[in-house]
Amino acid sequence: DAGVIQSPRHEVTEMGQEVTLRCKPISGHDYLFWYRQTMMRGLELLIYFNNNVPIDDSGMPEDRFSAKMPNASFSTLKIQPSEPRDSAVYFCASSFLAGEAYFGPGTRLTVL
Amino acid sequence: AQRVTQPEKLLSVFKGAPVELKCNYSYSGSPELFWYVQYSRQRLQLLLRHISRESIKGFTADLNKGETSFHLKKPFAQEEDSAMYYCALRAFQGGSEKLVFGKGTKLTVNP
Repeated sequence: DAGVIQSPRHEVTEMGQEVTLRCKPISGHDYLFWYRQTMMRGLELLIYFNNNVPIDDSGMPEDRFSAKMPNASFSTLKIQPSEPRDSAVYFCASSFLAGEAYFGPGTRLTVL
Repeated sequence: AQRVTQPEKLLSVFKGAPVELKCNYSYSGSPELFWYVQYSRQRLQLLLRHISRESIKGFTADLNKGETSFHLKKPFAQEEDSAMYYCALRAFQGGSEKLVFGKGTKLTVNP
């Protein structure tokens, strides 16, 4: 298994543009988490899914953020419109139950 | 509410010195705690979990329910231990579970 796959690895965009981050979890895992990592706030849980169903999105900072999981092998995190303060590394992680999470390599987002 | 606190953002020690990374938690249920590590340019990975009571790369962590702490310790730090360390809590929520992380501690081991 290639582990959790995220794309793109790097994204540079201009303020106001739509950004879509993608994640492929490990096959068989039933939990998927989206985290945001910044120097100031560390690792923040944005949203997580259990069996493709969003369970808790209270960490999503604003309505500009949305996430979907249309099937067990794919999830997206969308920011529309993007702002410079959204610049961060976004991690996707999956697990079987929420015990040990396997993280993707992250997407480094820069919004100019 | 579930919360994980890592009071030190940065920690610097010399090679061979003992190191302790602090973690405190707030959780009303029975806690399950983990330490994750992120080496430079690598993805986060599990270092150890309290239920295993194991030592990984010389690191140990003991859950102290009285003090609501799960500090990570190593008696003799090595340069390759330099990394970002995150303490995490597994919290049950309405039939599901989530992992809540602290803000992390950046450990630097100097030669």
